[in-house]
Amino acid sequence: GAGVSQSPSNKVTEKGKDVELRCDPISGHTALYWYRQSLGQGLEFLIYFQGNSAPDKSGLPSDRFSAERTGGSVSTLTIQRTQQEDSAVYLCASSLAPPDRAGETQYFGPGTRLLVL
Amino acid sequence: GDSVTQMEGPVTLSEEAFLTINCTYTATGYPSLFWYVQYPGEGLQLLLKATKADDKGSNKGFEATYRKETTSFHLEKGSVQVSDSAVYFCALRGSAGGTSYGKLTFGQGTILTVHP
Repeated sequence: GAGVSQSPSNKVTEKGKDVELRCDPISGHTALYWYRQSLGQGLEFLIYFQGNSAPDKSGLPSDRFSAERTGGSVSTLTIQRTQQEDSAVYLCASSLAPPDRAGETQYFGPGTRLLVL
Repeated sequence: GDSVTQMEGPVTLSEEAFLTINCTYTATGYPSLFWYVQYPGEGLQLLLKATKADDKGSNKGFEATYRKETTSFHLEKGSVQVSDSAVYFCALRGSAGGTSYGKLTFGQGTILTVHP
């Protein structure tokens, strides 16, 4: 079946503009995660959704970052007033069950490469 | 908080050489441990996992054993191939009540290059 998909695959924007990144999880997966991969910081957790609610937003780096999930499926990560340090690859992952099941696997999408000029 | 430390790379090997990539972790409780691989131009893929002490995860000739006494999850392969060239990430997911519950905490990644 289809894996996790993300769009756009690449995004170039100017500093100060807002961007929206989209994630379509694997059908039926209840949990959804956003991560960021950058040269300086490696792979960092941003936010986790269980259904439409976000029990863990601890990784969002500032209030310019927000995310929502509707219908227990698609999620959008929004970055307002982008800065150059926001340049990174934004990865989305989903898992079938909540993480309280030991070893529950997260499946990753191909990522959105964001470049802020 | 929870953390993962991987051996620094890059690692360069000849085909059929033995591979070890060290990974140690700090976590409360009983985390689940993972190795993910990122091939050139591709996304992160789960390579193997282990959910409790002394479990051995294995896949594609790679193995890693969950050692609680040494808080380690070292990745090994007896004979690497050129096609194993990739970036390898060790990760943990904390148990309920810990700071990494739900999310994956990753090591910094190890670049492996295998020459013919």
